Amino acid sequence: SQQGEEDPQALSIQEGENATMNCSYKTSINNLQWYRQNSGRGLVHLILIRSNEREKHSGRLRVTLDTSKKSSSLLITASRAADTASYFCATELRSGGGADGLTFGKGTHLIIQP
Amino acid sequence: KAGVTQTPRYLIKTRGQQVTLSCSPISGHRSVSWYQQTPGQGLQFLFEYFSETQRNKGNFPGRFSGRQFSNSRSEMNVSTLELGDSALYLCASSRTGTVNYGYTFGSGTRLTVV
Repeated sequence: SQQGEEDPQALSIQEGENATMNCSYKTSINNLQWYRQNSGRGLVHLILIRSNEREKHSGRLRVTLDTSKKSSSLLITASRAADTASYFCATELRSGGGADGLTFGKGTHLIIQP
Repeated sequence: KAGVTQTPRYLIKTRGQQVTLSCSPISGHRSVSWYQQTPGQGLQFLFEYFSETQRNKGNFPGRFSGRQFSNSRSEMNVSTLELGDSALYLCASSRTGTVNYGYTFGSGTRLTVV
């Protein structure tokens, strides 16, 4: 079953604009991660935020986590054509380097128009 | 350093056959997990191995199995293939410990069952 649900399912914006994707999940988590996937290839890890963190930045990425609402958002600023991809949130129930595996949402397909 | 290597990249099999997929993790990563990605079900956790032991398994039938070798390389096997097993199979490796730094995924093996 899906733990995370991304919103929107698809998003099309102009290059240079900001893109915001949201993710909701159902159970308590240890951490939440965001991944990018280009054209059905492998997933690329973008950022990880732990359950005791509220906000994290990495380059043009900003992630927030609200554990009371069981939701997270990913903001990509100053979008580029190369940001066109599918973005997935994934939750991990406990630490330990992978014992529980990741539970993924269905993803948001982001299209950046030149 | 080398990334996660999955072989083969593409595979076409006939219903009823069996298939073995291979994954070589990043050097030093001892946890290897497997995921199935389909358009209908999205990304789903198959199982995770650490030090040659399966620590967790997702909700898949017994036809799906795996193993890990002493060098951390992992294989997954699907027996008696069904059309619904057509999917992108992704392998991910991670560091171990009490803090998770995210996963590194391979490019995947695209399996088509005809």
